Amino acid sequence: DTGVSQDPRHKITKRGQNVTFRCDPISEHNRLYWYRQTLGQGPEFLTYFQNEAQLEKSRLLSDRFSAERPKGSFSTLEIQRTEQGDSAMYLCASSLGTLETEAFFGQGTRLTVV
Amino acid sequence: AQSVAQPEDQVNVAEGNPLTVKCTYSVSGNPYLFWYVQYPNRGLQFLLKYITGDNLVKGSYGFEAEFNKSQTSFHLKKPSALVSDSALYFCAVSARKDSNYQLIWGAGTKLIIKP
Repeated sequence: DTGVSQDPRHKITKRGQNVTFRCDPISEHNRLYWYRQTLGQGPEFLTYFQNEAQLEKSRLLSDRFSAERPKGSFSTLEIQRTEQGDSAMYLCASSLGTLETEAFFGQGTRLTVV
Repeated sequence: AQSVAQPEDQVNVAEGNPLTVKCTYSVSGNPYLFWYVQYPNRGLQFLLKYITGDNLVKGSYGFEAEFNKSQTSFHLKKPSALVSDSALYFCAVSARKDSNYQLIWGAGTKLIIKP
């Protein structure tokens, strides 16, 4: 296992289009996070899963955003009707799901909405 | 409210000098503290963590951090800075939330090491 992988690394889309990102966590990790990060800022929490259950979703996440983790393995993050304000780096992380374990991050997907 | 503060947006250090990146926290219960580093256009990389025990923890790339319970701080340190240490550094705390737990992040500190 080479760590958390995200696909694609870069995505340019026109405003109004839908986009979907994929995250493959470290195989034995049961917790999976999605974050959004803009330039020079810290990670902004979007949502997380414990196995296949989505346990928390940020209030900042509009109805245009949806995430799934079928079978508790890989996860997808979909953004519908993209807006220019959605342009950011989308980070996925996974962990063993206990209070004291660190999260491992993927390289991120950079979204540019034009 | 539970929070993490990194009071310095940017820290400038000359190569070879010691560096400190500050982090303070406010959480209920025992904190589990983490430092991550982010190089340009990359994801975050775990550096080190404090769970329990010795207040001085050592991590990757020669970094260490000192947990101070009375000052609720977890400052990141390195005895001799390298130009390659220039990056964004994030402090995070794992804290209980209802019946679960959450990761709370600081805003980040940009570390610039000048040759």
